[in-house]
Amino acid sequence: EAQVTQNPRYLITVTGKKLTVTCSQNMNHEYMSWYRQDPGLGLRQIYYSMNVEVTDKGDVPEGYKVSRKEKRNFPLILESPSPNQTSLYFCASKTSGGVGTGELFFGEGSRLTVL
Amino acid sequence: GEDVEQSLFLSVREGDSSVINCTYTDSSSTYLYWYKQEPGAGLQLLTYIFSNMDMKQDQRLTVLLNKKDKHLSLRIADTQTGDSAIYFCAETDGATNKLIFGTGTLLAVQP
Repeated sequence: EAQVTQNPRYLITVTGKKLTVTCSQNMNHEYMSWYRQDPGLGLRQIYYSMNVEVTDKGDVPEGYKVSRKEKRNFPLILESPSPNQTSLYFCASKTSGGVGTGELFFGEGSRLTVL
Repeated sequence: GEDVEQSLFLSVREGDSSVINCTYTDSSSTYLYWYKQEPGAGLQLLTYIFSNMDMKQDQRLTVLLNKKDKHLSLRIADTQTGDSAIYFCAETDGATNKLIFGTGTLLAVQP
């Protein structure tokens, strides 16, 4: 089954404790992206990657890191989480870099709470 | 920067038509999208329209595009309780080709 898998789905952590949210897709997509969803703000892009070893900042990259060492994986790293990073996070992927050339497939989301 | 705006909430009765509206700012958007987010799930593409089209119909869904006013709407005919979800409008940023999402409209369908 074609899918984007995120882990963990739910996480409660404390300020300053490094964490990683993993994302994996099995569709051989070149493009992958991370979003956060907050009430009243819609989806905001954190980072995206057009292909292996190519990553770029989105609209809200502060406090986050990513890596793209393999095509299927795109982990999101919070080196020192803070309470304002409490949010619902989505990983998404699509074929090629052109937005109009393919549907964006989303994972089921990871709800993160930072105390 | 580019902006996509939607009303936050819409309530309809089962069997009625729902109309969800969206305004966008980037006149160079090639495609405009509607995504659906069911409770506890990620977003799924519902439909999209190419910018040179005025209307697209797909079963119970009708998308209308008014490029002059930069207004996009999604009409759901014979709305069912299973249509209850958050609906996101999205445009492509002409400069970066990124997807810009609206804030989402929560559609509540009353039985």
